[in-house]
Amino acid sequence: GDSVTQMEGPVTLSEEAFLTINCTYTATGYPSLFWYVQYPGEGLQLLLKATKADDKGSNKGFEATYRKETTSFHLEKGSVQVSDSAVYFCALPNSATNKLIFGTGTLLAVQP
Amino acid sequence: NAGVTQTPKFQVLKTGQSMTLQCAQDMNHEYMSWYRQDPGMGLRLIHYSVGAGITDQGEVPNGYNVSRSTTEDFPLRLLSAAPSQTSVYFCASRRVHGYTFGSGTRLTVV
Repeated sequence: GDSVTQMEGPVTLSEEAFLTINCTYTATGYPSLFWYVQYPGEGLQLLLKATKADDKGSNKGFEATYRKETTSFHLEKGSVQVSDSAVYFCALPNSATNKLIFGTGTLLAVQP
Repeated sequence: NAGVTQTPKFQVLKTGQSMTLQCAQDMNHEYMSWYRQDPGMGLRLIHYSVGAGITDQGEVPNGYNVSRSTTEDFPLRLLSAAPSQTSVYFCASRRVHGYTFGSGTRLTVV
């Protein structure tokens, strides 16, 4: 069935470091792909999305490219800030039910 | 404010007690859902609804009931709370290209 696999955290970086959080997926066809962010004590917010292969989603300095060849949607940011500390979830809609399937989440901690 | 509103934010229950987690959205979204979030498990779908009067089970429905009498409201009921239901619960509604989440209810069952 459809699934999402994320790299395990926590990921600890210094401010201004480069960030990569890996996400790979298994799905029927080419579903839309999403990254959600959860700041401490809050609910999930949509960070970015890509609706078809080779699309690049971007927001707040984060980017992710939908790569069908490697079934990946890795999240990247060139220079992280302390305010980026959060849990990041990769997600896709189940092909049969259209319900959102989440990865287990990756905790990012950015130190000043 | 437009969005998804969950109440309460925090709750402590004794084993065997019942309670209702409230969820309301003002965006006229047809699709609403409940997730629970546990360490190392990500978010798991409990129940969902594709419109008023229609509900269905998700991945982990046991011990929970839902109803959808209006488009706006989608309450989640715990019939007899168990320690295994200690979790953070999120309600979400869906628009075309993404979900809107509430801020969550942190539930502890002792």
